[in-house]
Amino acid sequence: QVQLVQSGAEVKKPGASVKVSCKASGYIFTGFYIHWVRQAPGQGLEWMGWINPNTGGTNFAQKFQGRVTMASDTSITTAYMELSSLRSDDTAVYYCATGPGYNYFDYWGQGTLVTVSS
Amino acid sequence: DIQMTQSPSSLSASVGDGVTITCRASQGISNSLAWYQQKSGKAPKLLLHAASRLESGVPSRFSGSGSGTVYTLTISSLQPEDFATYYCQHYYSTPYIFGQGTKLEIK
Repeated sequence: QVQLVQSGAEVKKPGASVKVSCKASGYIFTGFYIHWVRQAPGQGLEWMGWINPNTGGTNFAQKFQGRVTMASDTSITTAYMELSSLRSDDTAVYYCATGPGYNYFDYWGQGTLVTVSS
Repeated sequence: DIQMTQSPSSLSASVGDGVTITCRASQGISNSLAWYQQKSGKAPKLLLHAASRLESGVPSRFSGSGSGTVYTLTISSLQPEDFATYYCQHYYSTPYIFGQGTKLEIK
């Protein structure tokens, strides 16, 4: 079965960077895009972008352009999302998600809480 | 960007009731719409895609309809496990935008 297992919670200071990993299993890793979606406390869902693990191609929401990097390592079927210049309003649960639909999300990781606080 | 306006933001209903949630897109999205259910502290769960295509394992009391800019999620005969927050998401073009969510509570 498809599983996405994310790295653990992080606490960062404003201005720092955070890198979240997403280990995929149960499917052909290069077959589906991996998306990143975040959710601030008590708020809705916000799509950040995707990476195509087959080509390394990426597509980011304009809001995050210049601050986000997405990468993947096919040898260990793991995707990464790095967000830099962190601010307090980046405090959120970050999810990776994937699925055969490419642009909607059948499978989700368990989420990684990133807290930005001085 | 195509914006999604979801209504209502909250809804109170009883077990056995039927409810409808609406999402309006700021322009036509050609049925490129998904619905998710999210329970507290959990990742969202995909319920439907292509506006009306039910995912495997999702009960048939969930249904979706719509076209153009207006889409609805209907839950007939609410069950206790249905009380959660629901989100629509368009995937017509990037950025993919979610609706603001509808919190469905027990009356």
